[in-house]
Amino acid sequence: QKEVEQDPGPLSVPEGAIVSLNCTYSNSAFQYFMWYRQYSRKGPELLMYTYSSGNKEDGRFTAQVDKSSKYISLFIRDSQPSDSATYLCAMSEGSNFGNEKLTFGTGTRLTIIP
Amino acid sequence: NAGVTQTPKFQVLKTGQSMTLQCAQDMNHEYMSWYRQDPGMGLRLIHYSVGAGITDQGEVPNGYNVSRSTTEDFPLRLLSAAPSQTSVYFCASRRPPRETQYFGPGTRLLVL
Repeated sequence: QKEVEQDPGPLSVPEGAIVSLNCTYSNSAFQYFMWYRQYSRKGPELLMYTYSSGNKEDGRFTAQVDKSSKYISLFIRDSQPSDSATYLCAMSEGSNFGNEKLTFGTGTRLTIIP
Repeated sequence: NAGVTQTPKFQVLKTGQSMTLQCAQDMNHEYMSWYRQDPGMGLRLIHYSVGAGITDQGEVPNGYNVSRSTTEDFPLRLLSAAPSQTSVYFCASRRPPRETQYFGPGTRLLVL
């Protein structure tokens, strides 16, 4: 069993819809949780990060972490065609945010249909 | 700033050939890393460096060598390429302790 599980999709939704992306994990030592966005043939770029449990909002994006269920989510409101990309969740242990030993999910490919 | 740059963008090798993937950053970041990305596997850490002269292994180090003689550069060497090393390789850098990683655009490698 992988430490981090992520539905690969693909996921297609109409423009303006709310998108929900999720990851589950098995390692209870994970403390930092990140979402990266990766456009086709580009490197990943950090979208959101959270420490421990709770919610974090940034514009149209909301990241949620439920450590008791070992479940994290990314919500995208008012989705736009420019949001079409692969979304990767990533996690790390310890107190060193951005620890090199990140464990990534496999990514969910999202397409927003105009 | 150019950020993190990688060369080449694409490379085809024959089994047994050697090559070096180049990575450079102009942000004066201490930490640099190499990842490979394969379908269904996600990004996996190959090697990383916390400063010039210091390197360590990641999750999948076999078949790869690294060295870090300067802060700016972190080359990844394939000593004897194998088809299993066909992948997309990403270099990343960051400034500790709390900055996020910045990824380069990637190198697509095909080993025949």
